[in-house]
Amino acid sequence: GAVVSQHPSRVICKSGTSVKIECRSLDFQATTMFWYRQFPKQSLMLMATSNEGSKATYEQGVEKDKFLINHASLTLSTLTVTSAHPEDSSFYICSARIAGDSTDTQYFGPGTRLTVL
Amino acid sequence: QKEVEQDPGPLSVPEGAIVSLNCTYSNSAFQYFMWYRQYSRKGPELLMYTYSSGNKEDGRFTAQVDKSSKYISLFIRDSQPSDSATYLCAMSAGYGQNFVFGPGTRLSVLP
Repeated sequence: GAVVSQHPSRVICKSGTSVKIECRSLDFQATTMFWYRQFPKQSLMLMATSNEGSKATYEQGVEKDKFLINHASLTLSTLTVTSAHPEDSSFYICSARIAGDSTDTQYFGPGTRLTVL
Repeated sequence: QKEVEQDPGPLSVPEGAIVSLNCTYSNSAFQYFMWYRQYSRKGPELLMYTYSSGNKEDGRFTAQVDKSSKYISLFIRDSQPSDSATYLCAMSAGYGQNFVFGPGTRLSVLP
């Protein structure tokens, strides 16, 4: 199957700093990538849809100035958490969409655990 | 009514049992159906993918889609302790539309 990587897998930072998370599709090109957030024992929460070459579409309640998304190429999307605070501590997961004839699915990265002190 | 319903469990079965996981949905436009397995602190892993109605088998896993009933199932044969995870169903009406996920079913396979 298709492979999506995420880096870093784990990050600890101080309150007020910014953190960048990278999401790469390793063996395919993805015009659409998604960013999710997940709290312990809860379901995935879609944060935003990232389309290559255009601005991301954010879900209601997600601050676009706080969670900056860039999708500069067909294999890379980045999520930057700006001025992070302890309430931003969570598990962030990206995914990449593959769509075509009789196909529409997404492959997930392994996730990034962010802890803000 | 939620767009996708899934029993959250937890579901506990003995090793070797046949597991049946199900989702129901309300949007008749859904054409693409997926099952993901998520271990704790890991990203979801795509297990099975089905387009439109029908059955699909891969090893110990069988996915069924009944669009007339708006019902999808995942069967796991000869379940193993390593199958203990949360299973998410997901569906889509096609490119340009959002994916909709069920809340997930937590499965424990006891040795």
